[in-house]
Parts: sequence; structure tokens; C-alpha cells
Amino acid sequence: AQRVTQPEKLLSVFKGAPVELKCNYSYSGSPELFWYVQYSRQRLQLLLRHISRESIKGFTADLNKGETSFHLKKPFAQEEDSAMYYCALSGYSGGGADGLTFGKGTHLIIQP
Amino acid sequence: EPEVTQTPSHQVTQMGQEVILRCVPISNHLYFYWYRQILGQKVEFLVSFYNNEISEKSEIFDDQFSVERPDGSNFTLKIRSTKLEDSAMYFCASRDFGNQPQHFGDGTRLSIL
Repeated sequence: AQRVTQPEKLLSVFKGAPVELKCNYSYSGSPELFWYVQYSRQRLQLLLRHISRESIKGFTADLNKGETSFHLKKPFAQEEDSAMYYCALSGYSGGGADGLTFGKGTHLIIQP
Repeated sequence: EPEVTQTPSHQVTQMGQEVILRCVPISNHLYFYWYRQILGQKVEFLVSFYNNEISEKSEIFDDQFSVERPDGSNFTLKIRSTKLEDSAMYFCASRDFGNQPQHFGDGTRLSIL
């Protein structure tokens, strides 16, 4: 069975401070990992996916297969980063329609 | 940028009644999904749909649930006889062929009285 764990329900940091949102997963095969963000009163939006290996809005995430982690990081937090962040896993690997398994989400609050 | 649209934004229904939640996926997307999020809990996968049939479903998606693509644009989720525990936010998502990410709608808040 696949599982995604986000240990922090709430994370509060000051503007300009580094941010790390933790995500650990459990999956027997080769998963694809995503970070989705939900700003206040808006829809879930894709932030990052591990296969893209890109930085979006200053955020990066590296898949660590040894630690089964996909932590989201940003060196300098901005107030507009305040949102709910969801880590998600898909067992999709080149074909088929595979549902996402989500973590419970971390509410990130950036204080001025 | 094209978006997944869901209607209504809020649906209130009496327990035992049937409810249909509607979604218009992004045009020319091929894979369609329904998820739900009970208040305070995680987003949970319900079902995926491709080529006019269910591809995958979770254990939540029992006989009370059904999905349909009645025409070339809509994708619906029907709950036959609603229960109090069906109260949740329901999200529709779609994606294109290949290794493309899912795009989500704004959700429909379903309240069962």
C-alpha cells in the first residue's frame, strides 16, 4: 500500500527565514512525487514534480530514495508563500491512469 | 490558461437523496479523476476514468457511487443514496496523455443534512 506522511500540520516561520516542509512516502515500486499548493480560497495547484527537477517560486524538492523523502525547501520565505502544501504520490510510471495519494497537508504561515 | 470547472460550488442535500456533481475537464484531456476531502482530513482518491470506463477505484468508491461522461465535455459523479458521512469537498481533476500532471477544479462542497 502506498502512503504519504507530512509530519507537520502547521509550520510558522518569519519572512526571510528558510523553510522546509517534510514529506516521507512508502511505496514498493518507483513512485512519482508531487507538491501541490492551495492558497486561501483557491484550487489545488501543482507546484513541483520530482521528474522536472526545476525550481518554482524559489521552491525546490529532491527525491531521496534512500530516505524515502521528498522535502520541500525554500531558502528565504516570503509572505505570499503562506498556504496549504500537500505532498502527493503516484504509482504511475509511463502509462495508465493512476490516482494520487496525498499527505494530510502542512499549513505554512509566514510571519512578517 | 484552461481550467477544470466544477458545479455547483456548494450542494446541500437531504440524507438518502441522490446527488450529481458536475465537472468540465480541460478540453482534450484524456484522464479524469474524482477525489474527496472530508473536513480536517486528507484529500482521498475516489476513481479514475479513461477511454469511457473506470480505470481504477478506491475502496471508498462503493456501489453508491458512479461516474459518467455523458457527452464530450462533462464528467459527473453520482451518489445514489447519500449518507451523512458523504459530506465533504469533492474535487475533479483531469490530465493529458503521457506523463502529465493532474489539474484540479475548485471543488464542490457537499453538505448532507
